[in-house]
Amino acid sequence: QQNVQQSPESLIVPEGARTSLNCTFSDSASQYFWWYRQHSGKAPKALMSIFSNGEKEEGRFTIHLNKASLHFSLHIRDSQPSDSALYLCAVSMGNYAQGLTFGLGTRVSVFP
Amino acid sequence: EAAVTQSPRSKVAVTGGKVTLSCHQTNNHDYMYWYRQDTGHGLRLIHYSYVADSTEKGDIPDGYKASRPSQENFSLILELASLSQTAVYFCASSERGPDTQYFGPGTRLLVL
Repeated sequence: QQNVQQSPESLIVPEGARTSLNCTFSDSASQYFWWYRQHSGKAPKALMSIFSNGEKEEGRFTIHLNKASLHFSLHIRDSQPSDSALYLCAVSMGNYAQGLTFGLGTRVSVFP
Repeated sequence: EAAVTQSPRSKVAVTGGKVTLSCHQTNNHDYMYWYRQDTGHGLRLIHYSYVADSTEKGDIPDGYKASRPSQENFSLILELASLSQTAVYFCASSERGPDTQYFGPGTRLLVL
């Protein structure tokens, strides 16, 4: 069964800094990779996804995927207090995906 | 943005009682999911469905049943609620399996 691990568990960063979050997965047949963000007391909301090896940038957010290393990451440039949230990575297997397998999350706090 | 609603938003149930959680989406999505979120386990998939009148078991289906009477509605049923089922339950929908999942606001369930 798929095992998804996130590191670090928590992170405190100053406003304007770069934040880096990591996610490893166990099943090499995984095909789709997601980052979700969940503000306190709210629903998870998709941030970004990637389906092939390499890098993808959307605004202040960049996602890297290395399937051979079973690893993907999220980088936040110019972190803002509004970025303070629980960040969840998630993996799915394919076109008839049986839902997502999530990591436990990294709690990010950005202080002014 | 896609709309997923859940009811009730919070519920207190007694051990051994029956609990029904409801989810409604207006996105015309085929896929719907039920997850639970609790400390130490993160978000875990309970049941999912990709067509009306059919449901599939997720990663932790024991103690839960699901019902998908129409494309828009997906229910989660706890026939005999137990203390260990205290958690926040999220419903989500997606157009296809690997697409972005849109989450409802969650139902906070406390079993006493």
